[in-house]
Amino acid sequence: DVKVTQSSRYLVKRTGEKVFLECVQDMDHENMFWYRQDPGLGLRLIYFSYDVKMKEKGDIPEGYSVSREKKERFSLILESASTNQTSMYLCASSFRDRSYEQYFGPGTRLTVT
Amino acid sequence: GDSVTQMEGPVTLSEEAFLTINCTYTATGYPSLFWYVQYPGEGLQLLLKATKADDKGSNKGFEATYRKETTSFHLEKGSVQVSDSAVYFCALAPNSGNTGKLIFGQGTTLQVKP
Repeated sequence: DVKVTQSSRYLVKRTGEKVFLECVQDMDHENMFWYRQDPGLGLRLIYFSYDVKMKEKGDIPEGYSVSREKKERFSLILESASTNQTSMYLCASSFRDRSYEQYFGPGTRLTVT
Repeated sequence: GDSVTQMEGPVTLSEEAFLTINCTYTATGYPSLFWYVQYPGEGLQLLLKATKADDKGSNKGFEATYRKETTSFHLEKGSVQVSDSAVYFCALAPNSGNTGKLIFGQGTTLQVKP
């Protein structure tokens, strides 16, 4: 079975802190994605990556950055957390030739106080 | 821009009832359409897909037909079970290359009572 794991299920951080969210997949997928999920808004794409060291902005990249140093790992970084970044963060991965068939991790619920 | 609209939830049904969750979309060209499901405490899973007009996607008793004339992709199941309780997301992939960028609707929560 494809497995996408995220480093934490719940995280509480203070305003201004630097926050790292880690995602690891074990299926040798080329593509990886970071979304945030908010009530009434569905999922919105923050960043995605086609390959190691490659990244592309999604629809809401402001306030976030990403890092992909290894194929299996994709990190989301909040440089200076703010309360409006309180949300559920979902990581996903897919093969390049089936990019819309994405496998999701269980999510990290981040609260910024 | 491209968008997906789903019916408001939550939808509450009794076991064995018929399910419809409405989904309409706005897109240029010929997008591909998807339904994803999120069970409690889990990540989203692809439920079914359709890549061209009049295609019917099906899986686990769920069906959805790609209707270009009404720009719709409604999800249906003839007899729901308690285990179908989840959040259902309609999504589209724009017809602009294999980017992997999906546009999701806001999600519809389904609660099935015994």
